[in-house]
Amino acid sequence: DVKVTQSSRYLVKRTGEKVFLECVQDMDHENMFWYRQDPGLGLRLIYFSYDVKMKEKGDIPEGYSVSREKKERFSLILESASTNQTSMYLCASRKPWRVGTHTGELFFGEGSRLTVL
Amino acid sequence: EDKVVQSPLSLVVHEGDTVTLNCSYEVTNFRSLLWYKQEKKAPTFLFMLTSSGIEKKSGRLSSILDKKELSSILNITATQTGDSAIYLCAVEEGGNQFYFGTGTSLTVIP
Repeated sequence: DVKVTQSSRYLVKRTGEKVFLECVQDMDHENMFWYRQDPGLGLRLIYFSYDVKMKEKGDIPEGYSVSREKKERFSLILESASTNQTSMYLCASRKPWRVGTHTGELFFGEGSRLTVL
Repeated sequence: EDKVVQSPLSLVVHEGDTVTLNCSYEVTNFRSLLWYKQEKKAPTFLFMLTSSGIEKKSGRLSSILDKKELSSILNITATQTGDSAIYLCAVEEGGNQFYFGTGTSLTVIP
């Protein structure tokens, strides 16, 4: 079974703190994603990574950065947490799409619920 | 502008009922449509649809894609309390971009 593990299920941080959210997958997937999920807004893409050391901004990258130094690990960084970053953060991974194939679905981690006070 | 719209937003039914959840989308380079079930944890994969008119089925759940109408439905027959969850629809567009709907919250009452 594919396993996507997010290191912290629940975090409480203060405004201005630096926050690291870690995600590890064990299926050698090239693509990894960070989403945030808010009521009424659904899942919104923050950043994704095609492969090691590669990253692309998603729809809402402001206030976030990412790091992909190893294939299995994709980290989301909040340089200076703010209250509007209180949310559920979901990491996902998958094999990349290739012509003539049906690439697999996104595999999600359990989520990290972040509260910024 | 929302690229993926799900309806209804929420639904309350009794055990044994049949439900139909809807997903409509508008993307320029469609690759696939995916359905997920989310309880109080990670979304779990249900179906991936790429071809129009071909039904995917798993037990009491089934789904079909209509590329002409840019929509998909998810059917659940003989609902059980364990079906209570948020059902998410996502559309994959070229370039590894997935667009998610806001979900349909289903509550099944015993």
